Amino acid sequence: AQSVAQPEDQVNVAEGNPLTVKCTYSVSGNPYLFWYVQYPNRGLQFLLKYITGDNLVKGSYGFEAEFNKSQTSFHLKKPSALVSDSALYFCAVRDGSWGKLQFGAGTQVVVTP
Amino acid sequence: DGGITQSPKYLFRKEGQNVTLSCEQNLNHDAMYWYRQDPGQGLRLIYYSQIVNDFQKGDIAEGYSVSREKKESFPLTVTSAQKNPTAFYLCASSIARGGTGELFFGEGSRLTVL
Repeated sequence: AQSVAQPEDQVNVAEGNPLTVKCTYSVSGNPYLFWYVQYPNRGLQFLLKYITGDNLVKGSYGFEAEFNKSQTSFHLKKPSALVSDSALYFCAVRDGSWGKLQFGAGTQVVVTP
Repeated sequence: DGGITQSPKYLFRKEGQNVTLSCEQNLNHDAMYWYRQDPGQGLRLIYYSQIVNDFQKGDIAEGYSVSREKKESFPLTVTSAQKNPTAFYLCASSIARGGTGELFFGEGSRLTVL
């Protein structure tokens, strides 16, 4: 069975500094990896995904993520954080084409001015 | 604009009452899903449907029921058998179940049991 872990409940960063949100996963087959963002009392918005190909994936709002097969990680990054990036971020993994989509517990990002 | 519409946004229920949450999509997606979100627990799958007139239980289906009579609609009923129904409920859709496609989410419905 697949699993996904977001080891940090909260990440605090000053505006303008780099932002990293960590995600590790476990699957038996090929991982399909996703990042979503959620603002308070809203639905989830898709940011980016890794299916195959280049390990560095670029997504919406200046976010990117790096797939690392040896470390089974898919960390989300942004070079310069904005106060408006403050939100709840979810990593999700699917084990191959027909696996169930498993969400992590979420990481709260707080960006201070 | 294409998207997913959930209603109502906020709902209050007395213990022992059934309530139905609406989910409508105009994305022409085959697959639809219901998730429950509780603080610190991520999203847990309640039910999903891959095609009209067919649906399957997810991880926490007890106390819930669904129907899929139309491609664009996937309502969720929270029954009185659900022991702890207060939560944020999210509906989602995708082109098909599985594959490389991402999920598209509605804005959610917050249910509070008084």
